[in-house]
Amino acid sequence: EPEVTQTPSHQVTQMGQEVILRCVPISNHLYFYWYRQILGQKVEFLVSFYNNEISEKSEIFDDQFSVERPDGSNFTLKIRSTKLEDSAMYFCASSGRDSGNQPQHFGDGTRLSIL
Amino acid sequence: AQTVTQSQPEMSVQEAETVTLSCTYDTSESDYYLFWYKQPPSRQMILVIRQEAYKQQNATENRFSVNFQKAAKSFSLKISDSQLGDAAMYFCAAKFQGAQKLVFGQGTRLTINP
Repeated sequence: EPEVTQTPSHQVTQMGQEVILRCVPISNHLYFYWYRQILGQKVEFLVSFYNNEISEKSEIFDDQFSVERPDGSNFTLKIRSTKLEDSAMYFCASSGRDSGNQPQHFGDGTRLSIL
Repeated sequence: AQTVTQSQPEMSVQEAETVTLSCTYDTSESDYYLFWYKQPPSRQMILVIRQEAYKQQNATENRFSVNFQKAAKSFSLKISDSQLGDAAMYFCAAKFQGAQKLVFGQGTRLTINP
């Protein structure tokens, strides 16, 4: 069964540095998402992406964050000037359509640790 | 505000027994989708079951079924014949009309006792 894959599985970064989290969505999917889960808290939506542009974003997704689909297969989340509070598990997801009939499929996540 | 609430941080059940995980949500809309995701220690979020709000019939997937009470805005997950592999964090989530995002509950950690 097709899967969403995320790399790396664990990223350790010094505070203030930039980090790029990578995702390969399921190949025929059109909608892409990033979520994060701070340790012990609920999963929170960050951003959705369709047709090469952001289609929805949360208040968490400020100017520190950006997303890109650079080559038609990868979907990346860039976090600039990382802060301690950015430490979390980051999940990528994809879906074929913007519909509950086609649920979002999640990757294994990238654990981001900011030191 | 559209919210999803899971009031049980932890649940445990004996192997082969039945357990029910609770979820409530808040919305003024009539059309939405509800989901249960499982997150085992391996971290991957796995879709367990989904329910369309316009369907009155409760969804069922093998040992997993839901009790969808639209008027009460309740969406509980029943796991029958619990197995050790069912041990995981379970998240209830909703996709509300007009939004692309999933709204998640706080999660319930399910332990299966052998």
